[in-house]
Amino acid sequence: DVKVTQSSRYLVKRTGEKVFLECVQDMDHENMFWYRQDPGLGLRLIYFSYDVKMKEKGDIPEGYSVSREKKERFSLILESASTNQTSMYLCASSTTRDRGSDEQFFGPGTRLTVL
Amino acid sequence: AQRVTQPEKLLSVFKGAPVELKCNYSYSGSPELFWYVQYSRQRLQLLLRHISRESIKGFTADLNKGETSFHLKKPFAQEEDSAMYYCALTTSYDKVIFGPGTSLSVIP
Repeated sequence: DVKVTQSSRYLVKRTGEKVFLECVQDMDHENMFWYRQDPGLGLRLIYFSYDVKMKEKGDIPEGYSVSREKKERFSLILESASTNQTSMYLCASSTTRDRGSDEQFFGPGTRLTVL
Repeated sequence: AQRVTQPEKLLSVFKGAPVELKCNYSYSGSPELFWYVQYSRQRLQLLLRHISRESIKGFTADLNKGETSFHLKKPFAQEEDSAMYYCALTTSYDKVIFGPGTSLSVIP
């Protein structure tokens, strides 16, 4: 059973703070993803990583960076948090399509509030 | 451009009525289409995928390449079907594109 865990369920930060969101998966998946989930906008991809130390920008990377030093861990960093980054953040992982399945497995989400 | 659209933000149906959640996509390659569901206070999870041609919880979805659609259907809605539904498209590079979602409410 795939487990994707996120470091916090709820987080409250102040404008300008540096924020770290951590995600860990235990199924040896190659791909990991960070999304923001906002009402009416669905899931928007921030960044994804298809291997250790590899990353690709998604649709809304501005204001974010990521780090993948180990295969199981994918971190999302808000360098200087702003109020418009208040959102639900979802992490997901998947294996590669050529391994037969690219179903995404999601973490429980982190609801970030920036004051 | 790669895109997934779901025209209805909200859909309300009575229990026992048929339900159809619409999804259209644009993608130049060979897509793989999925439906994901998020029940209240639960994590987002896969409901079904087009290549499996399976029925999950009474739901089915048929890929229509001519109309570039992948509508989700169930003949008799149940209260426990109330949830947020996302249509998604996987590209050849493992990247997933999600639609904006449809919130389904089944009225008792």
